[in-house]
Amino acid sequence: DAGVIQSPRHEVTEMGQEVTLRCKPISGHDYLFWYRQTMMRGLELLIYFNNNVPIDDSGMPEDRFSAKMPNASFSTLKIQPSEPRDSAVYFCASSFGGDFRPQHFGDGTRLSIL
Amino acid sequence: DAKTTQPNSMESNEEEPVHLPCNHSTISGTDYIHWYRQLPSQGPEYVIHGLTSNVNNRMASLAIAEDRKSSTLILHRATLRDAAVYYCIRAGGGSNYKLTFGKGTLLTVNP
Repeated sequence: DAGVIQSPRHEVTEMGQEVTLRCKPISGHDYLFWYRQTMMRGLELLIYFNNNVPIDDSGMPEDRFSAKMPNASFSTLKIQPSEPRDSAVYFCASSFGGDFRPQHFGDGTRLSIL
Repeated sequence: DAKTTQPNSMESNEEEPVHLPCNHSTISGTDYIHWYRQLPSQGPEYVIHGLTSNVNNRMASLAIAEDRKSSTLILHRATLRDAAVYYCIRAGGGSNYKLTFGKGTLLTVNP
């Protein structure tokens, strides 16, 4: 079975550029989560969707970050304009049902902003 | 605020059992205990979860104290592939799906 697929795996870009991270959740899953991991802050939840609708974006750091889920099989996290402090590993996860059900994580996108 | 307390690191020998402790003294009645692990350069991986009773699956066992203020993740026979950061997470109320990851326990497995 295919797991959560993220692309690209690595992204290096210059400050000020727009960055788009992509995620394909596991088929049939109705929850999708975006996390960010840094050495300083650890793994933190940015936003999550239920049935393609954003439910809680309280973790999104600022207006430069936006996330969309146009359909059940695709989500994007966009940073515009990017800054060096946005450098991190970004993970996407999906689950079937919320509550206590396991979240399945992708392998992440390692983002470096120069 | 991760709301759980774990040792920063632990060491084990290959093929020996490993007991990873977690303290969650302020746990509420509806909180589940979740364990995830993260291998180097990978995303977190679900290990196990439980509410009140001890739980077993193919990866591990979870022993939850009777007062639910602490729990222990048990790996019955550690392998080198079990070397990872292990996160104990309590999630409950109406936001069970909002996992708050702390610093976790870095498990080293010696050959």
